Amino acid sequence: QQQVKQSPQSLIVQKGGIPIINCAYENTAFDYFPWYQQFPGKGPALLIAIRPDVSEKKEGRFTISFNKSAKQFSLHIMDSQPGDSATYFCAASMESGGSNYKLTFGKGTLLTVNP
Amino acid sequence: GAGVSQSPSNKVTEKGKDVELRCDPISGHTALYWYRQSLGQGLEFLIYFQGNSAPDKSGLPSDRFSAERTGGSVSTLTIQRTQQEDSAVYLCASSSGPKQYFGPGTRLTVL
Repeated sequence: QQQVKQSPQSLIVQKGGIPIINCAYENTAFDYFPWYQQFPGKGPALLIAIRPDVSEKKEGRFTISFNKSAKQFSLHIMDSQPGDSATYFCAASMESGGSNYKLTFGKGTLLTVNP
Repeated sequence: GAGVSQSPSNKVTEKGKDVELRCDPISGHTALYWYRQSLGQGLEFLIYFQGNSAPDKSGLPSDRFSAERTGGSVSTLTIQRTQQEDSAVYLCASSSGPKQYFGPGTRLTVL
């Protein structure tokens, strides 16, 4: 059972474009939704995260939009740059006993930003 | 400050051998997680430590997998009698709340 579904699998945009990556979750008990960026050969790096009590959060060029009723959230990258080319993962977690925030990940989106 | 470190960065082993993977978390982080990243399965949770205890081992795929943590710091993931399907990148993360910080991973190849 895939609890977090991510789309698209891959995405190509031109420099300056606004790629949008979407995720949908099933478990309404999830209450923390982070996005991670991963470059080849590196570990995932936390980009931005949101709680379900807000509909949008912005940090620099990265924005999360959250729709609690639809159980969906998305990442927007403003003014994308070639250096943003990476794999992006959405994830979800909830505290489950003893401060356990284990993450359930989407399958990832490979973003390519052409110069 | 120092982030999460993992060693070795790469490990090639033969089927049937045992391997040990090491994780050094961020100093002061009481929570430590192991995940596995493979092409077919994506990123999967393996085990969670709070201090030296492992209250959630639900993601360990078989009894060939075990992990321990000592001194509330370093953790070791051990895979016994490795199989080819164990080939993956093993990632460690530490946290003091919901934000998890990942290490660079250990790429395990089982021949």
